[in-house]
Amino acid sequence: DGGITQSPKYLFRKEGQNVTLSCEQNLNHDAMYWYRQDPGQGLRLIYYSQIVNDFQKGDIAEGYSVSREKKESFPLTVTSAQKNPTAFYLCASISGSRYNSPLHFGNGTRLTVT
Amino acid sequence: GENVEQHPSTLSVQEGDSAVIKCTYSDSASNYFPWYKQELGKRPQLIIDIRSNVGEKKDQRIAVTLNKTAKHFSLHITETQPEDSAVYFCAASIGEGTALIFGKGTTLSVSS
Repeated sequence: DGGITQSPKYLFRKEGQNVTLSCEQNLNHDAMYWYRQDPGQGLRLIYYSQIVNDFQKGDIAEGYSVSREKKESFPLTVTSAQKNPTAFYLCASISGSRYNSPLHFGNGTRLTVT
Repeated sequence: GENVEQHPSTLSVQEGDSAVIKCTYSDSASNYFPWYKQELGKRPQLIIDIRSNVGEKKDQRIAVTLNKTAKHFSLHITETQPEDSAVYFCAASIGEGTALIFGKGTTLSVSS
């Protein structure tokens, strides 16, 4: 069953700790994306990667870091520098670099930092 | 960069009525405009999309119109049903090698 897997579904961390959110896809998609969703704010782009070993900052990259060592994986690290990390995080992918293709989303990870 | 504005933020209609959600974009180079539906606690799902070489596209009760001159596009849902209740997002892309930029969403409530 092809798709995007985000884990865990719920994540709790103490303030000041870094945390890494997992995103794995078996769709053979080249491009992968991380969005953050807050109530009333829509989906805001954090980082995206068109190919392995390359990624670009989105609109709200501060306090986040990513890596793309494998085509299938695009983990997101929320660092202690992120001022308001509590949010719903969505990972997505697109086949090739076809920007005009539908995004395939994972089920998301809800991160709560206290 | 691209900026997408979406209105209204909430919309309440009676079952059977039509619903219209409007979006404007800032970058005239944008050429791909999808709409996503997100039900409570679930991932966003594509419901319809339109490319800049087309002015209108329809899929059963859902249609999207695009006005490139005015830089706005709209989602039209006819004969609304309670299961249409969800958050709807518009988005725009300026092209190859870039990412989709989303509007802030519209919460549609359809009451029976």
